[in-house]
Amino acid sequence: QVQLQQWGAGLLKPSETLSLTCAVYGGSLSGHYWTWIRQPPGKGLEWIGEVHHGGRTNYNPSLKSRVTISIDTSKNQFSLNLSSVTAADTAVYFCTRVTLGFCSASNCHAIGGSEFWGQGTLVTVSS
Amino acid sequence: DIQMTQSPSSLSASVGDRVTITCRASQSIKIYLNWYQQTPGKAPKLLISAASSLQRGVPSRFSGSGSETHFTLTISSLEPEDSATYYCQQTSSPPQTFGQGTKLEIK
Repeated sequence: QVQLQQWGAGLLKPSETLSLTCAVYGGSLSGHYWTWIRQPPGKGLEWIGEVHHGGRTNYNPSLKSRVTISIDTSKNQFSLNLSSVTAADTAVYFCTRVTLGFCSASNCHAIGGSEFWGQGTLVTVSS
Repeated sequence: DIQMTQSPSSLSASVGDRVTITCRASQSIKIYLNWYQQTPGKAPKLLISAASSLQRGVPSRFSGSGSETHFTLTISSLEPEDSATYYCQQTSSPPQTFGQGTKLEIK
């Protein structure tokens, strides 16, 4: 059974960089899309972005200038970096796996649902 | 970005009731629509993908339908454990977007 286990700093000061890592157990990174989704306390879900096992990425334009999602196949992990955080970035962050994807001439992106989720990490930004 | 609008935002129903939640997309997303169930303190759980494909292990009382811009999630006979918040998600094109959620309470 696939399991995603995530970790990273839970308390940041404004302007610092959020860094989270998600390790994949019971399966390979190959053939899947790996995504980050966040949820502010008491609010809905926001897609941050995704990385294909081959390294291609797609980001939410609202965060694109600050976000980097990377993949490390040697460790079977993928990571999220979000720079210059503010209180508005306070949220529970989830890593997920999506299997089904689609490629056009210019891009590839996930089209399936998130079948597996990490346990979530609450990241609080406060001075 | 494609906007997803769910309705209602909350509802209260009794065990055994039939419940329908609607999700509308601001433009055609074909069938690239997923439904999730989330209980407090937990990660969302994928119930239905591609508008109507029930995930393995999800009870058959859950069903999804629709295409293009109009989608529905139906619970045919409510059980107490269905108390949760339900989200739709479009994956037609990045950025993926979610509906605002529907909080379902069991009376």
